[in-house]
Amino acid sequence: NAGVTQTPKFQVLKTGQSMTLQCAQDMNHEYMSWYRQDPGMGLRLIHYSVGAGITDQGEVPNGYNVSRSTTEDFPLRLLSAAPSQTSVYFCASRRADGSGVNTEAFFGQGTRLTVV
Amino acid sequence: DAKTTQPNSMESNEEEPVHLPCNHSTISGTDYIHWYRQLPSQGPEYVIHGLTSNVNNRMASLAIAEDRKSSTLILHRATLRDAAVYYCILRDVRYGGSQGNLIFGKGTKLSVKP
Repeated sequence: NAGVTQTPKFQVLKTGQSMTLQCAQDMNHEYMSWYRQDPGMGLRLIHYSVGAGITDQGEVPNGYNVSRSTTEDFPLRLLSAAPSQTSVYFCASRRADGSGVNTEAFFGQGTRLTVV
Repeated sequence: DAKTTQPNSMESNEEEPVHLPCNHSTISGTDYIHWYRQLPSQGPEYVIHGLTSNVNNRMASLAIAEDRKSSTLILHRATLRDAAVYYCILRDVRYGGSQGNLIFGKGTKLSVKP
């Protein structure tokens, strides 16, 4: 069971370039989220999805787009990379629980992005 | 803003118990208390969560105060592998529909000395 897989693991971009960070999960989880983590900081929520076809903004959505065409995949697009987007990006997924009991979130290993 | 308060760092000796505190004075009656940890260069991993009663699993125990305004994560015998940043989290219902989403603070960096 692969869990949450992120690609690539490392990426260097030039300012103004665009790219897509990939995230795939094989657990049939409804909820997926993208976070960024800057040095010495906790994770900040960028975008999230509660199911295929449904996405919404988190704490720091500017400069990023997402889509959720399938349950398995939740790509994060950087429209025009800026040095301020240099960070480590984590994707997470978790099962929805109708009873309201929050379920365990599974995280990928991260993508380390540098924008020069 | 994060709704939990944790010390920035703590130290422990190997094979001794560790008590990691968390204050959450604005917790609502339906908020579960979640703990995650992040080992160096890895994504966060789930540790434990609970609502009112103390909880135990293979990794740790969670002690929740009777008024639920604070909780303590207990590692019974710290190992070198337990050196990590530990996050105490309440779900934020502004993000993630009715179930909310996990919003991380800075956590507590635990160092374990051999």
